[in-house]
Amino acid sequence: EVQLVESGGGLIKPGESLRLSCAASAFTFSNAWMNWVRQAPGKGLEWVGRIRSKTHGGTTDYAAPVEGRFTVSRDDSKNMLYLQMNSLKTEDAGVYFCTDGRSHWGQGTLVTVSS
Amino acid sequence: DIVMTQTPLSLSVTPGQPASISCKSSQSLLQSDGKTLFYWFLQKPGQSPQLLIYEVSNRLSGVPDRFSGSGSETDFTLKISRVEAEDVGVYYCMQNMQLLTFGGGTKVEIK
Repeated sequence: EVQLVESGGGLIKPGESLRLSCAASAFTFSNAWMNWVRQAPGKGLEWVGRIRSKTHGGTTDYAAPVEGRFTVSRDDSKNMLYLQMNSLKTEDAGVYFCTDGRSHWGQGTLVTVSS
Repeated sequence: DIVMTQTPLSLSVTPGQPASISCKSSQSLLQSDGKTLFYWFLQKPGQSPQLLIYEVSNRLSGVPDRFSGSGSETDFTLKISRVEAEDVGVYYCMQNMQLLTFGGGTKVEIK
């Protein structure tokens, strides 16, 4: 069974940094374009960023609110996806999901940004 | 950026009755290869989103056949022929033609 398991969430102060991880198993991870999607408390789903597979260049795209502050990366040798979040703002708070954008989603990890 | 506009915001449905959700895209989601990169998800309370329908009308394996998707280019519809208690949650449409964009969600409740 395919599993995506996020970790690394927690309580962080505005302006600080946090790195989220997503471990993939039973999944052809290296071929997948992977995404981070977030959900603020009581709100809808918001796409954060994406990384293409290495065969498609391994390049990244970001949503405007996080461009320049967040970085998506991957380590295909470890089946891991990462989200480096810098200069965090209160509006970045929420549950962060890793997903292939289709049928595979993690359970999410909660990020709380508060002074 | 492609904007996805979903209606209604919420639905209260009697079990056994049909339900319909609409989603409109600000531009065509039809690719040159003939595929339309449009999806429907259901997020049940306390859970991650789960894919129901991919590429407009294809049900994911295991999704009950009371769920059906239709539409083309910019206008799409999800229909539930007979709503059951387990169908409650928030339904989202999503496009993957240009990055990813989600609709605002439709909350389905049981009367």
